[in-house]
Amino acid sequence: NAGVTQTPKFRVLKTGQSMTLLCAQDMNHEYMYWYRQDPGMGLRLIHYSVGEGTTAKGEVPDGYNVSRLKKQNFLLGLESAAPSQTSVYFCASSYLLGAVTEAFFGQGTRLTVV
Amino acid sequence: SQKIEQNSEALNIQEGKTATLTCNYTNYSPAYLQWYRQDPGRGPVFLLLIRENEKEKRKERLKVTFDTTLKQSLFHITASQPADSATYLCALLSGGYQKVTFGTGTKLQVIP
Repeated sequence: NAGVTQTPKFRVLKTGQSMTLLCAQDMNHEYMYWYRQDPGMGLRLIHYSVGEGTTAKGEVPDGYNVSRLKKQNFLLGLESAAPSQTSVYFCASSYLLGAVTEAFFGQGTRLTVV
Repeated sequence: SQKIEQNSEALNIQEGKTATLTCNYTNYSPAYLQWYRQDPGRGPVFLLLIRENEKEKRKERLKVTFDTTLKQSLFHITASQPADSATYLCALLSGGYQKVTFGTGTKLQVIP
């Protein structure tokens, strides 16, 4: 049972390039989330999804887009990367929304934009 | 504005002692609060959940309290071990059950 898997684990982008981060979960969870983690800022919610085909904005959505075409996958896209998007990105999933049950996290993607 | 505050300074304690970490929040009325552990280079791992009508929750050497009047949660690790060294995050539910908001975490170092 893999849980939550993120790809890639590391990536370096040039300013203006685009990329997609993939999150896959095998727990049949309805809810999925994308967070970014920066020193001194904690985990901040970018976008989340409450089910296949639905997405919603979190705390810091600007510069990112997401899609949830399949229940098990949640994609995070950066259309035109900026140095301010240098961060560690975590995907998470949960069976019930929010803090009612635990969230399972992936191992993270370390993204550097130069 | 809404805030979740955890002590940003690292907490160093001697092995065998009880570690106590604090999570304070303002402008929230959370129904639930969670604690997670995060090791360097890894994603957070869930430890405990406590509901607003629960004053205390225990799991093995871990204990969490939730005081909605003080707007504070305390996280205790008894008989601490070097393997307990990690960053501990508290998280609150907000926005009508729409999202989980995390504190910045407190780094715990247990010294042998």
